[in-house]
Amino acid sequence: NAGVMQNPRHLVRRRGQEARLRCSPMKGHSHVYWYRQLPEEGLKFMVYLQKENIIDESGMPKERFSAEFPKEGPSILRIQQVVRGDSAAYFCASSTTGNTEAFFGQGTRLTVV
Amino acid sequence: GESVGLHLPTLSVQEGDNSIINCAYSNSASDYFIWYKQESGKGPQFIIDIRSNMDKRQGQRVTVLLNKTVKHLSLQIAATQPGDSAVYFCAENPGGTSYGKLTFGQGTILTVHP
Repeated sequence: NAGVMQNPRHLVRRRGQEARLRCSPMKGHSHVYWYRQLPEEGLKFMVYLQKENIIDESGMPKERFSAEFPKEGPSILRIQQVVRGDSAAYFCASSTTGNTEAFFGQGTRLTVV
Repeated sequence: GESVGLHLPTLSVQEGDNSIINCAYSNSASDYFIWYKQESGKGPQFIIDIRSNMDKRQGQRVTVLLNKTVKHLSLQIAATQPGDSAVYFCAENPGGTSYGKLTFGQGTILTVHP
């Protein structure tokens, strides 16, 4: 049973470009969470999704960031017009229900140059 | 452990010693707590969790203690091994929402010397 799969593991983008981060949850998991981690800091919650629904996006920046979890395929975190401050590690986690522990992927490290 | 400027608190122990990592949480309404281990370049790895109706829970070589009165959580690792070296985060769920929505603590760097 594969864990949470994120790709790419490393992503380099120039300022102004778009970044697309993908997350495939564990088999049987229908709840997905995205987190951002700056160096030497804890993870910060961004968004919580179920299939085709955004449940809680209270941690998402108001502009340039969006997330989706379509009926088929992985969850996508999209960052438009990236800036240097977007450089961070982005982690996805998944769980079977809302009342079970979430398991994290290995993350995507985004570097904006 | 000792704070290092603005960086994460650190704890250095010898192999075979017991380690205790502490965490103060902020929200008295939190009812679910997890400890994660994060190795360099990797995602957080679940270690152990505890719900607010308990004050102690044991796993393999690890014990989590919860003191709701002072909003304090600790992780005890018995017979610490070099493979335990990592950053350890406590995380709390604010209650009334999915357990996957967590507020993470600052983290503690554990270094185990052979």
